[in-house]
Amino acid sequence: EAQVTQNPRYLITVTGKKLTVTCSQNMNHEYMSWYRQDPGLGLRQIYYSMNVEVTDKGDVPEGYKVSRKEKRNFPLILESPSPNQTSLYFCASSPLPWQRNSYEQYFGPGTRLTVT
Amino acid sequence: AQKVTQAQTEISVVEKEDVTLDCVYETRDTTYYLFWYKQPPSGELVFLIRRNSFDEQNEISGRYSWNFQKSTSSFNFTITASQVVDSAVYFCALSETFIIQGAQKLVFGQGTRLTINP
Repeated sequence: EAQVTQNPRYLITVTGKKLTVTCSQNMNHEYMSWYRQDPGLGLRQIYYSMNVEVTDKGDVPEGYKVSRKEKRNFPLILESPSPNQTSLYFCASSPLPWQRNSYEQYFGPGTRLTVT
Repeated sequence: AQKVTQAQTEISVVEKEDVTLDCVYETRDTTYYLFWYKQPPSGELVFLIRRNSFDEQNEISGRYSWNFQKSTSSFNFTITASQVVDSAVYFCALSETFIIQGAQKLVFGQGTRLTINP
């Protein structure tokens, strides 16, 4: 089954304790990205990656890091989480548009993070 | 810069009523895609529809229909004969493709929380 998986689904942590949220897709997609969802703001892009070792900032990258060492994985790293990073996080993947003429992004199930 | 506005923060209707969710967008691109996603209480994002900027035909899928009007930069979503299971947060989104960078980003509206009361 084609899917995007995220782990963990729920996480409660304390300020300053480094954490990683994993994202994996089995569709051989080149493009992957991370979004955060906050009430009244919709979803906003944090980082994206066009392929292995190619990453770039989205609209709200402060406080986050990413890496793309394998095509299928795109972990989101919070080196020193703060309470304002409490949010619902979504990973998404898609093929590059000119390769398959597809603009649909496939979303993971979401990770609800609480930083106290 | 691109922007999506869903002015209706919350809508509450009684079951079987028709309801329309508004979406207005801003973009300088001539080529773009518009999307609607549903987020049920369980939290996942469910893809509903994608339209490209060159196709202004309205679309109907069962009780769902979409009205795309470039002249008013709107992409409204109507649920006919609403049901309790339609209760969810609905997001409208815009995708532009930055050909040079090769990136595609979804810009989301703020979402509309729809409650269908029995």
